[in-house]
Amino acid sequence: NAGVMQNPRHLVRRRGQEARLRCSPMKGHSHVYWYRQLPEEGLKFMVYLQKENIIDESGMPKERFSAEFPKEGPSILRIQQVVRGDSAAYFCASSPSVRGPTEAFFGQGTRLTVV
Amino acid sequence: KQEVTQIPAALSVPEGENLVLNCSFTDSAIYNLQWFRQDPGKGLTSLLLIQSSQREQTSGRLNASLDKSSGRSTLYIAASQPGDSATYLCAVLNQAGTALIFGKGTTLSVSS
Repeated sequence: NAGVMQNPRHLVRRRGQEARLRCSPMKGHSHVYWYRQLPEEGLKFMVYLQKENIIDESGMPKERFSAEFPKEGPSILRIQQVVRGDSAAYFCASSPSVRGPTEAFFGQGTRLTVV
Repeated sequence: KQEVTQIPAALSVPEGENLVLNCSFTDSAIYNLQWFRQDPGKGLTSLLLIQSSQREQTSGRLNASLDKSSGRSTLYIAASQPGDSATYLCAVLNQAGTALIFGKGTTLSVSS
């Protein structure tokens, strides 16, 4: 049973480009969460999605950031027109598709560097 | 607004010592509390999950307790080993069950 898979593991983008981060949840999980870890800071919640629905995006910056979790395929976190301050590690987590929140399992992260 | 604090920020101990990591949170309305381990440049590994109705959980040399009313949790590591060196993160799940709120972690170094 593969864990939460994130790709790419490392991503370098120039300022103004777009970054696309992918997350495949564990088998049988339909709840996906995205977190960001800035240097010297803790992990910050960004967004919580279920298949085809955004449930809670209270941690998502209002501009340039978007997330989706389509019926088929991985969840995508998209950052448009990246700036240096977007450089961080982005982690995806998934939890089982059962009633109520349960244990969250995290991927290895995507380390985004904006140059 | 929920805030999670972990003390100490860093800890160095010799191999074999028993140690306690502390976590406090400001809002007792939580769904559960989870302890994670993060190795440098890696993802998070879940160590223990305590539901809000529970008082403690144990896994091997690890024991986590939860006192929801006082907003505190502790992670006890028995007979520490160099392989335990990592950053330990405490996170509470908000009552809506939509977001984990993390502390900044305790970085543990165990010397042989």
